Amino acid sequence: AQSVAQPEDQVNVAEGNPLTVKCTYSVSGNPYLFWYVQYPNRGLQFLLKYITGDNLVKGSYGFEAEFNKSQTSFHLKKPSALVSDSALYFCAVRDRDDKIIFGKGTRLHILP
Amino acid sequence: GAGVSQSPRYKVTKRGQDVALRCDPISGHVSLYWYRQALGQGPEFLTYFNYEAQQDKSGLPNDRFSAERPEGSISTLTIQRTEQRDSAMYRCASSLVPGLAAQQTQYFGPGTRLLVL
Repeated sequence: AQSVAQPEDQVNVAEGNPLTVKCTYSVSGNPYLFWYVQYPNRGLQFLLKYITGDNLVKGSYGFEAEFNKSQTSFHLKKPSALVSDSALYFCAVRDRDDKIIFGKGTRLHILP
Repeated sequence: GAGVSQSPRYKVTKRGQDVALRCDPISGHVSLYWYRQALGQGPEFLTYFNYEAQQDKSGLPNDRFSAERPEGSISTLTIQRTEQRDSAMYRCASSLVPGLAAQQTQYFGPGTRLLVL
């Protein structure tokens, strides 16, 4: 069965510093991996996805994520954090035509 | 419309009442998904449609939950005889292409927050 784990409930980063939000996954076949962001009182917004190809995926708002097959990870990164990046981030995985499974989310706080 | 819309945004109801939650997907999107999100958790799949056909309803918790999409556009999620444990955020998403939908990006609506007293 497929699963996804976000080991950190909360991540605090100073503005201007690099940020990483961790995600690991488990699927039986090739994974399709997604990151979504949820701002207060708004729906989930798509950030980026990995389907195949280059392991480094670039997405919206300067975010990127690195697919690491050996470590079964898909960590979300940004070189320089902004206060406006503060939100709830969800990693998700899908195994071929199975349902998409979301992690429980990581709350990112960017400190001014 | 420009994005997925859901109504109502908030619904407070008494235990035992029926509720109907509406989702209006992005125009032209073929697939429509329903999720439930409990506080502090990620969205949990309930059911999805390609056009008007319900493809998978394995995530519906019990037979009090049902969904329809009769004309392949707007969808309604109905919860009969609501219980307090049904309180959650109910989210709808749509994607453009059916079939091998694993690669498709899902676009989410703002959700309906349901509170059952």
